[in-house]
Amino acid sequence: SAVISQKPSRDICQRGTSLTIQCQVDSQVTMMFWYRQQPGQSLTLIATANQGSEATYESGFVIDKFPISRPNLTFSTLTVSNMSPEDSSIYLCSAGQGVNTEAFFGQGTRLTVV
Amino acid sequence: AQSVTQLGSHVSVSEGALVLLRCNYSSSVPPYLFWYVQYPNQGLQLLLKYTSAATLVKGINGFEAEFKKSETSFHLTKPSAHMSDAAEYFCAVSVSGGYNKLIFGAGTRLAVHP
Repeated sequence: SAVISQKPSRDICQRGTSLTIQCQVDSQVTMMFWYRQQPGQSLTLIATANQGSEATYESGFVIDKFPISRPNLTFSTLTVSNMSPEDSSIYLCSAGQGVNTEAFFGQGTRLTVV
Repeated sequence: AQSVTQLGSHVSVSEGALVLLRCNYSSSVPPYLFWYVQYPNQGLQLLLKYTSAATLVKGINGFEAEFKKSETSFHLTKPSAHMSDAAEYFCAVSVSGGYNKLIFGAGTRLAVHP
């Protein structure tokens, strides 16, 4: 199994600012992902964090708004840029070792934009 | 493309009663299916997974699910509900070729009353 730590666990930010969320896995993993969970809703995949290359974004999400880094096999960051109240959500990091294995999730970062 | 539909956004049962949470999927390829549980202010925890082995899958905390291809269903059951089962439950399907990349259903909030 993999243990995923996210920092910060929660934050309250002013609109127009940016927040970088860190995701640290306790072992090397093949895949890392970022999801958004808007209030009272399900999880939506933002992007796949690719080690050493640009992230792969899902429809509706763009790099300028959600830049992602993955410098190695255990660490990734998600930045929420130029925030607005609509960005208030829980952001979750996920990691896995591939087919026939489970995806593990961090505890999430609860972001409130005021 | 894959998708997941969870019938019933809220389910309420009495302690000791049967828990049945419904999940139907759509997939053009043999699916990998998962049930996750989310307790308040926490991340997601895997309950069980179907990865084309046995159609009846047993998970943690007494939960099980049966994969029925003819009905495109993967319903989650537990014979006897406990107060600690109160949480949000998500059914998810792995994106084909997507190595742990998941599409989630809308979620079902389970309430257990004495």
